[in-house]
Amino acid sequence: EADIYQTPRYLVIGTGKKITLECSQTMGHDKMYWYQQDPGMELHLIHYSYGVNSTEKGDLSSESTVSRIRTEHFPLTLESARPSHTSQYLCASSPSGQETQYFGPGTRLLVL
Amino acid sequence: GNSVTQMEGPVTLSEEAFLTINCTYTATGYPSLFWYVQYPGEGLQLLLKATKADDKGSNKGFEATYRKETTSFHLEKGSVQVSDSAVYFCASTLGYTDKLIFGTGTRLQVFP
Repeated sequence: EADIYQTPRYLVIGTGKKITLECSQTMGHDKMYWYQQDPGMELHLIHYSYGVNSTEKGDLSSESTVSRIRTEHFPLTLESARPSHTSQYLCASSPSGQETQYFGPGTRLLVL
Repeated sequence: GNSVTQMEGPVTLSEEAFLTINCTYTATGYPSLFWYVQYPGEGLQLLLKATKADDKGSNKGFEATYRKETTSFHLEKGSVQVSDSAVYFCASTLGYTDKLIFGTGTRLQVFP
């Protein structure tokens, strides 16, 4: 099972602030994903990466951006947070050749 | 297009009762199927999976069989415990991509 970490676990921030949600994994997985989980529990894929310098937008349009400069690190950035960004953000990773995704504990974001 | 449909919750059971959570899928090709579990305040954990028709995935007393003829992957457990209280997500691989699509989640509440 992957070791995958997300920080912070909880974040309360004011409108207009720039934030970065961190995601790191120690298993050398090539594939990484960001999901947004709304209060109704449904998960929406917002970004994914198949390796260093590879990033793609997911199925749900998001104002966030991501980068993949190192294999183990896949941060998500919001340049100007808004109350509509309030949600839980889940990061996941998966090794090449496998379909199973391993999830981090999530970051719960509240934008006031 | 591809989709995963699971029964709405909450499912409320007494301890030691039998559990079934229904999941059906529509897909092109032959997807792999998964059940994930999310405990309060945590990310998703893989519970079990099956990669081809008639495969049975099992873990911690939970089972699900990949039924191609009914396009189903129902989750079952013979005797639930209070500690099984969580949200359960059915998921399918999306076509020939490395992405997963998730059902909307089913909350299970087990009372002593």
